[in-house]
Amino acid sequence: ELKVEQNPLFLSMQEGKNYTIYCNYSTTSDRLYWYRQDPGKSLESLFVLLSNGAVKQEGRLMASLDTKARLSTLHITAAVHDLSATYFCAPSQGGSEKLVFGKGTKLTVNP
Amino acid sequence: GAVVSQHPSRVICKSGTSVKIECRSLDFQATTMFWYRQFPKQSLMLMATSNEGSKATYEQGVEKDKFLINHASLTLSTLTVTSAHPEDSSFYICSATPGSGSSYEQYFGPGTRLTVT
Repeated sequence: ELKVEQNPLFLSMQEGKNYTIYCNYSTTSDRLYWYRQDPGKSLESLFVLLSNGAVKQEGRLMASLDTKARLSTLHITAAVHDLSATYFCAPSQGGSEKLVFGKGTKLTVNP
Repeated sequence: GAVVSQHPSRVICKSGTSVKIECRSLDFQATTMFWYRQFPKQSLMLMATSNEGSKATYEQGVEKDKFLINHASLTLSTLTVTSAHPEDSSFYICSATPGSGSSYEQYFGPGTRLTVT
């Protein structure tokens, strides 16, 4: 059974600072997704990582995947208030399209 | 990007009644759709996989007779919560994948907030 551990679960940071969210998973996965969720809203897709060593960047967010270590990271550069949200990682289960979600990281960026 | 819609966005019903939630892929065909449930301040839990033209596959612990799923066409899946109780109050979110090409994207609907009184 695929288990996903995200940390930290809560992150409070100042604007302009950098930080990394970690996502560890327990068994082999074909791909890994990162999503953003604002309060009361559904999920917004950020990244899909398909292979070992994959790195994707969009604005102040950069995601990477190490399939050998079963680890993905979401790095935030020079945080701004608009990035405040909950971020979820979700590796796919085995060879299927089923996703298993981490508990989420609630990010608060303070001015 | 691709769009997935859900209807209704919010519903309040009385205990013992049934509620139907629709999930539509608006600009692509989805042979597979997924239904998730999210309780407040928690993560998403997969309830079932909806397969067009065949029976849904339910996750362990999800009652298939309580949460009826019908995937009648390549653009529509429905989730019916039967004999709803207050503990069924939750945020229900569907997702769909085009299932073709190399996108691998999964698109999420806007969610349906169910409150059972």
